[in-house]
Amino acid sequence: TQLLEQSPQFLSIQEGENLTVYCNSSSVFSSLQWYRQEPGEGPVLLVTVVTGGEVKKLKRLTFQFGDARKDSSLHITAAQPGDTGLYLCAGEDLGGNTPLVFGKGTRLSVIA
Amino acid sequence: NAGVMQNPRHLVRRRGQEARLRCSPMKGHSHVYWYRQLPEEGLKFMVYLQKENIIDESGMPKERFSAEFPKEGPSILRIQQVVRGDSAAYFCASSQYTDRGANTGELFFGEGSRLTVL
Repeated sequence: TQLLEQSPQFLSIQEGENLTVYCNSSSVFSSLQWYRQEPGEGPVLLVTVVTGGEVKKLKRLTFQFGDARKDSSLHITAAQPGDTGLYLCAGEDLGGNTPLVFGKGTRLSVIA
Repeated sequence: NAGVMQNPRHLVRRRGQEARLRCSPMKGHSHVYWYRQLPEEGLKFMVYLQKENIIDESGMPKERFSAEFPKEGPSILRIQQVVRGDSAAYFCASSQYTDRGANTGELFFGEGSRLTVL
């Protein structure tokens, strides 16, 4: 069974601070996806990383896929209250034959 | 375009009753996934369906749970004889299948159905 461990589980920071959250596994994935989920809503896809070592930027969010395609990180610069939410990573296995496996998420709270 | 539509958004059932959750995928999507989310937990895969076919049900409990995606109409997740442990948010997602090599696996989620069993 493939497992994705996300850390930290909870994070509370002040507006304007930077932060990094992590998604780690002992398994290799063909791709990793990051989703954000707000209370009472479904997850919304932020980005997909496919190539080992890949870095993708989405405004103040920077996503990195590890060289070995086992881990990923999300860095947020100058966090804003609107960034508050549950950040989930999800991995697609090499064979592509099993559904996405989700981590438990990092719950981020940005205080104004 | 309408997104993934789930209903009801909230459902309250007493132990032993049946719960039916419905999901209409995004227009043009032929693949539907059901996930369950407990408080402070991630999403746990339950079942993956195409029209009239169950592709993968490895995450479905062996008893009381069933799912279908008929040729016409929404996908339905059915839970018979509900117990308190079934209380959770149930999310449906859809994707547009392409050849394996071109499928990014992006899932579009509905807003979820929150089941409370009293």
